[in-house]
Amino acid sequence: EPEVTQTPSHQVTQMGQEVILRCVPISNHLYFYWYRQILGQKVEFLVSFYNNEISEKSEIFDDQFSVERPDGSNFTLKIRSTKLEDSAMYFCASGGGQAFFGQGTRLTVV
Amino acid sequence: KNEVEQSPQNLTAQEGEFITINCSYSVGISALHWLQQHPGGGIVSLFMLSSGKKKHGRLIATINIQEKHSSLHITASHPRDSAVYICAVSKTSYDKVIFGPGTSLSVIP
Repeated sequence: EPEVTQTPSHQVTQMGQEVILRCVPISNHLYFYWYRQILGQKVEFLVSFYNNEISEKSEIFDDQFSVERPDGSNFTLKIRSTKLEDSAMYFCASGGGQAFFGQGTRLTVV
Repeated sequence: KNEVEQSPQNLTAQEGEFITINCSYSVGISALHWLQQHPGGGIVSLFMLSSGKKKHGRLIATINIQEKHSSLHITASHPRDSAVYICAVSKTSYDKVIFGPGTSLSVIP
């Protein structure tokens, strides 16, 4: 069965550092998404991406965040200067309609 | 107001019991999803529904579009079913998924 792959599974970073979370979506999918889940809270939408541009973003997705599809297979989420409150599980998804989620990257900002 | 609500928030059941988790939503949707999240955090898609009923093994999902309500049933529950079950909706095809708060299920042997 096709799957969405995320790396790393866990990342610890110092506050103020830049992090890049990586995702390999399912190969023939055209729509890509990032979601975030702070510990103990529900999953929240961050951004959707189609045709090499952002199609929708939430108010969480401020100027500290950016997304890119650098090489036609990877889909990345960059956080420019991490804050303690960015600590969360980040999920990548691809497709649309049918929800295909990656296993998540747990980001811990210290 | 949350667009997707679930009940109960927490549920403890004895092994073998029949379990029902309910979901209600307040927006027009093209699809409703039931997802499972185990400790450790990965999300697995169980069902996607736009009408009627679907069954997979011991899991059954139903949706009533007119009442904006869905249920997830687990028959003959087992401790390995212990997880958080999340209801989520998509307003249109290829739209983002809007998540409910989840129902934490614990099945005791």
